[in-house]
Amino acid sequence: EVQLVDSGGDLVQPGESLRLSCTASGFTVSNNSMAWVRQAPGKGLECISVMYSGGTTSYGDSVKGRFTISRDTFKNTLYLQMNSLRTEDTAVYYCVRTWGYWGQGNLVTVSA
Amino acid sequence: DIVMTQTPLSLSVTPGQSASISCKSSQSLLHSDGTTYLYWFLQRAGQSPQLLIYEISKRFSGVPDRFTGSGSGTDFTLKISRVGAEDVGVYYCLQSIQPPFTFGPGTKVDLK
Repeated sequence: EVQLVDSGGDLVQPGESLRLSCTASGFTVSNNSMAWVRQAPGKGLECISVMYSGGTTSYGDSVKGRFTISRDTFKNTLYLQMNSLRTEDTAVYYCVRTWGYWGQGNLVTVSA
Repeated sequence: DIVMTQTPLSLSVTPGQSASISCKSSQSLLHSDGTTYLYWFLQRAGQSPQLLIYEISKRFSGVPDRFTGSGSGTDFTLKISRVGAEDVGVYYCLQSIQPPFTFGPGTKVDLK
């Protein structure tokens, strides 16, 4: 059974960093395209980063240069390193095996 | 970036009746490989989004045949037959032909 377990969400201050993790089971992360999708409170869905099975990555303009997507083959885990966090990054972050399997989501709150 | 629009943004449906949601993209979603990268999701309150339809009209595993996707190029439609309480939520379309992948603003469906 495919499962994605998101972890790492927290309350941080503007300018700080945070790393989200997504531990997968039932499939191999490195053999699939994976994405991070976020949803600000009361808002719609925003795809912020994608990593293809071959390792190519892409980012949305709102996070480019601040966030980095990566994976650990041995741990079968996807990561999102978030630096220079802003208040507008406050959202629930979902790990996705594009596009049929979603994690439960992780709340990241950026506030002074 | 490809802009996705949805109409209507809100829909109130009598139980047992049908509902249709339109999604339009600012560019064609037909790839040179012959695939049209258009997806439909349902997000129920407090839950992660779930994939309903991929590549315009293919139902994801476990999705009832009450859900039907159609369209081509830049114009797409999701039809829900015999709407019930389990269909209440926000419906999103997504394009994944060109990064950054973009969602429509969402259509909120409830029951009369």
